[in-house]
Amino acid sequence: NAGVTQTPKFRVLKTGQSMTLLCAQDMNHEYMYWYRQDPGMGLRLIHYSVGEGTTAKGEVPDGYNVSRLKKQNFLLGLESAAPSQTSVYFCASSSRVGNQPQHFGDGTRLSIL
Amino acid sequence: KNQVEQSPQSLIILEGKNCTLQCNYTVSPFSNLRWYKQDTGRGPVSLTIMTFSENTKSNGRYTATLDADTKQSSLHITASQLSDSASYICVVRVTMKTSYDKVIFGPGTSLSVIP
Repeated sequence: NAGVTQTPKFRVLKTGQSMTLLCAQDMNHEYMYWYRQDPGMGLRLIHYSVGEGTTAKGEVPDGYNVSRLKKQNFLLGLESAAPSQTSVYFCASSSRVGNQPQHFGDGTRLSIL
Repeated sequence: KNQVEQSPQSLIILEGKNCTLQCNYTVSPFSNLRWYKQDTGRGPVSLTIMTFSENTKSNGRYTATLDADTKQSSLHITASQLSDSASYICVVRVTMKTSYDKVIFGPGTSLSVIP
């Protein structure tokens, strides 16, 4: 049981380049999330999804887009990368039933030069 | 404003010693509080969950407490081990009128256990 898998694990981009981060979960969870984690700050929610075909903005959505075409996958896109987007990105998923925890992937470390 | 604060920011202890991490929150309406452990280079993993009516909950050597009146929680680690070296994150869930409950993450306490 893999849980939540993120690809790639590391990436270096130049300013203005685009890329897509992939998140896949095998727990049949309804909810999925994208966070960024910066030094000295708590995880901040970028976008989230409460089900296949639906997405919503989180706390820091500017500069990012997401898609959830399949229940098990949640994609995070950067259309024109900026140095301020250098961060560690975490994907998480959770069941909508009861007080269930979020299950996290191991992160994607992204550097924008 | 909904906020979660943690102290200390970092902590170094000797293997075998106990320690206590603190979490203060200003969140309303409160749903539950969860402690996560995040190993270096890994994603956070849930340790315990505390609901409004619970005062204490244990998970092995980890014991969490909650004082809903003062809006404080603590995580006590007994007989620390080298593998306890990690960041410990306090997360508070806010009850929303929508189907999605908002969660607020604290900045974490970085714990280093040395031999």
